[in-house]
Amino acid sequence: QKEVEQDPGPLSVPEGAIVSLNCTYSNSAFQYFMWYRQYSRKGPELLMYTYSSGNKEDGRFTAQVDKSSKYISLFIRDSQPSDSATYLCAMRRGSSASKIIFGSGTRLSIRP
Amino acid sequence: KAGVTQTPRYLIKTRGQQVTLSCSPISGHRSVSWYQQTPGQGLQFLFEYFSETQRNKGNFPGRFSGRQFSNSRSEMNVSTLELGDSALYLCASSLEGASGDGYTFGSGTRLTVV
Repeated sequence: QKEVEQDPGPLSVPEGAIVSLNCTYSNSAFQYFMWYRQYSRKGPELLMYTYSSGNKEDGRFTAQVDKSSKYISLFIRDSQPSDSATYLCAMRRGSSASKIIFGSGTRLSIRP
Repeated sequence: KAGVTQTPRYLIKTRGQQVTLSCSPISGHRSVSWYQQTPGQGLQFLFEYFSETQRNKGNFPGRFSGRQFSNSRSEMNVSTLELGDSALYLCASSLEGASGDGYTFGSGTRLTVV
């Protein structure tokens, strides 16, 4: 069983829709949770960074962490065609020396 | 400021050959991590170097190795290439370690083994 599970999609939604992306994990030691966006032929770029449980909002993006359920989500409001990319969840334990573990990524397509 | 630079961008090698990939981190970043990305397995951690020392290692065979120089530039080497080594190899740098908010990726080197 992988430490981090993520539905690979693809997920296709119309422009303006609310998108929900999710990951589950098995290691309760994870404390830092991230979402990365990766465009074709590019490296991943950090979108959201959250410590422990709770919500964090940044513009059209909201990250949620539920440590009791070992479940994290990313919501995108008013989705745009430019949001079409692969979204990767990632997490790590407390130490700054601990490696980051990534989900396999969800491919998202926003239809104009 | 300049981002993480990986060279070359594309590489085609034959089975059995060896390859060296290079990563120049953001100026001032001392930690460099390497990941392999494939459609089937996603991003898999290879190793992390911090101040010229390997600090973390993933579950890859000994054919995969790396090093970091005093200027924080890093190289990874794959010997005796196999077809399954075809992948996008990504390098990420950060100031102190695997800090989520300081982790910057390069655009990767796409390696094709034929």
